[in-house]
Amino acid sequence: EVQLVESGGGLVQPGGSLRLSCAASGFTVSSNYMGWVRQAPGKGLEWVSFIYSGGRTYYADSVKGRFTISRDNSKNTLYLQMNSLRAEDTAVYYCSLLNGTYRPFDYWGQGTLVTVSS
Amino acid sequence: DIQMTQSPSTLSASVGDRVTITCRASQSISTWLAWYQQKPGKAPKVLIYKASSLESGVPSRFSGSGSGTEFTLTISSLQPDDFATYYCQQYNSYWTFGQGTKVEIK
Repeated sequence: EVQLVESGGGLVQPGGSLRLSCAASGFTVSSNYMGWVRQAPGKGLEWVSFIYSGGRTYYADSVKGRFTISRDNSKNTLYLQMNSLRAEDTAVYYCSLLNGTYRPFDYWGQGTLVTVSS
Repeated sequence: DIQMTQSPSTLSASVGDRVTITCRASQSISTWLAWYQQKPGKAPKVLIYKASSLESGVPSRFSGSGSGTEFTLTISSLQPDDFATYYCQQYNSYWTFGQGTKVEIK
C-alpha cells in the first residue's frame, strides 16, 4: 500500500529556511515521478516542484532559485529544501506520487503546515 | 504558462441535482486534464484523469468530458458526500490547477 508521510513544517521567520521530508512506503521513490503541491490557507492548490525518476527537476516560477527538491534513495524519502522564505510561502505542503507517466497526482500525503511570520 | 479557469467559483445545489463544473485552458492541452475533489482538512483525491477516465473506486455518477481547451465535470445526481471543493488540473505542460469550485448545500 502506498503511503506518504510529510514532516518538517513549522513556524519560521521571513528569510529563514526549512526542509520538508516525505517518507514513502509501498513503492520506491527513486523509480517514480513525485512532486510537491501547496495550498495557502483558504486558497487553491499550487504546484511547487517536481522530480522525474531520472532526476530531472522542475520548479514553479514563484519558488525557482529558492526551493530545491531532492530524494534520499537509502531512506526512500523525498525532500523540499526551502530557503529565503516569504510570507506568501505560508501553506500546507503536500507531497504527491504519480502512478506512471502522463498521470495526474494520484497519491497524496496528509500535508505539513509551513507558516512564515515574524 | 498554461492558465486554468474554472466556473463557477461557488455552486449551491440540492441532493439529487445534476451539477456541471466547467474548466477552460488558456491553450490546448489535448485531454491531459484531471479533476480532484477536496474536503476540508484533507488532501485532494483524483476523480477523473485524461479528461474522461474515471479513477478506480470513484462512483459512476461522476463523469468528465472535453478536449483542447474546454472541459466539464458532471455529477449526475448529487449525494451528501459530494459537498466539497473541486479542482481541475492540466498536466500537458508542467502542472496547473484551476482556482476551485465549492459545491455547497442549497
